Amino acid sequence: SQTIHQWPATLVQPVGSPLSLECTVEGTSNPNLYWYRQAAGRGLQLLFYSVGIGQISSEVPQNLSASRPQDRQFILSSKKLLLSDSGFYLCAWSNLAGVYEQFFGPGTRLTVL
Amino acid sequence: DQQVKQNSPSLSVQEGRISILNCDYTNSMFDYFLWYKKYPAEGPTFLISISSIKDKNEDGRFTVFLNKSAKHLSLHIVPSQPGDSAVYFCAASPGGGGADGLTFGKGTHLIIQP
Repeated sequence: SQTIHQWPATLVQPVGSPLSLECTVEGTSNPNLYWYRQAAGRGLQLLFYSVGIGQISSEVPQNLSASRPQDRQFILSSKKLLLSDSGFYLCAWSNLAGVYEQFFGPGTRLTVL
Repeated sequence: DQQVKQNSPSLSVQEGRISILNCDYTNSMFDYFLWYKKYPAEGPTFLISISSIKDKNEDGRFTVFLNKSAKHLSLHIVPSQPGDSAVYFCAASPGGGGADGLTFGKGTHLIIQP
């Protein structure tokens, strides 16, 4: 069966510091991968998605970037965090074969102080 | 501009009764809809979905209804149980293969009272 991992589970970082969140998927090949953010009192906002290694699509202009160095690894990064980057970050995967359901990881709670 | 709207931030329902969660959308390109359930500090869990070619999909206690002309869908939970207390998100996809991300509503916090 497929599983998706995210780490760390929680993170407290000062403004201006760098960020690296990692997501890995097991039990599937060539998944679509996604990064979402849930800010306080808001829904889930799509940040990035990837259909393959090295292929990244960005949905909103922002202070963050994403990379996919391996088929089942998706990384969210920032060079300098802002206060507004605080939120709950979720990684998700879906099957490339036209199935629309996405399956989410446990999330990372990021607090920027 | 919110393309998926869940206008009720919270809903309180007595255990054993029916819970009805509503969702409206504005983008006519959406043709696949999903409901997710989320507990605090956890990732959302997929519940049920419906394609635009259908008007109803049922899975156990969960039924989703789609009214395309009204651009409205609803999730019915019968009977409601204490474990159903969570935030429910409605999501939509424009289809076309499924690679695109989902557009989510802001969620409805369902509280099941004993």
